[in-house]
Amino acid sequence: DQQVKQNSPSLSVQEGRISILNCDYTNSMFDYFLWYKKYPAEGPTFLISISSIKDKNEDGRFTVFLNKSAKHLSLHIVPSQPGDSAVYFCAAMGGGSNYKLTFGKGTLLTVNP
Amino acid sequence: EAGVTQFPSHSVIEKGQTVTLRCDPISGHDNLYWYRRVMGKEIKFLLHFVKESKQDESGMPNNRFLAERTGGTYSTLKVQPAELEDSGVYFCASSQYDTQYFGPGTRLTVL
Repeated sequence: DQQVKQNSPSLSVQEGRISILNCDYTNSMFDYFLWYKKYPAEGPTFLISISSIKDKNEDGRFTVFLNKSAKHLSLHIVPSQPGDSAVYFCAAMGGGSNYKLTFGKGTLLTVNP
Repeated sequence: EAGVTQFPSHSVIEKGQTVTLRCDPISGHDNLYWYRRVMGKEIKFLLHFVKESKQDESGMPNNRFLAERTGGTYSTLKVQPAELEDSGVYFCASSQYDTQYFGPGTRLTVL
């Protein structure tokens, strides 16, 4: 039973445009969400996070939106750059002392010049 | 500041052999985690140390896997004896608070 779902295996956008990556979750105990970027043969690199008490968090070109009622979050990258091409993972963490991350399967983003 | 490091980067062993993976967390991080990604699947949690204590080992597949963190610094993950299904990439991560920082991973191939 997958508790974190990234339903789009891949996404292709033009340089300069907006990239929107989506993530859905089923476990209502999740209260902290993170996005990681991963290049081939490297470990996941932390991008941005959001706590369940917020609905938006912004860091430069990256913005994460959280819709708790829909159990949905999205990562917006504006403007997209070719160097953003990578696999993006959505991850969620449960409440209290439960620090383990539950990951989605990832979305491969390709930004075309 | 040095990131999380893992050794070796690759390991190829035969079924039945033993392999030990090592992780050095970011200095000062009390929390250390092991994750695994089997080909085509999502990254899955194995276990969590707080300093030298195992906080959560609910993701460990079976008793062929043994993790240690003596002294609360680096950690080792031993697989003994290795089976074909243990092949995958093993990631280590560390954190002081909520955000976990990952190492580059060890790619384990069991033949």
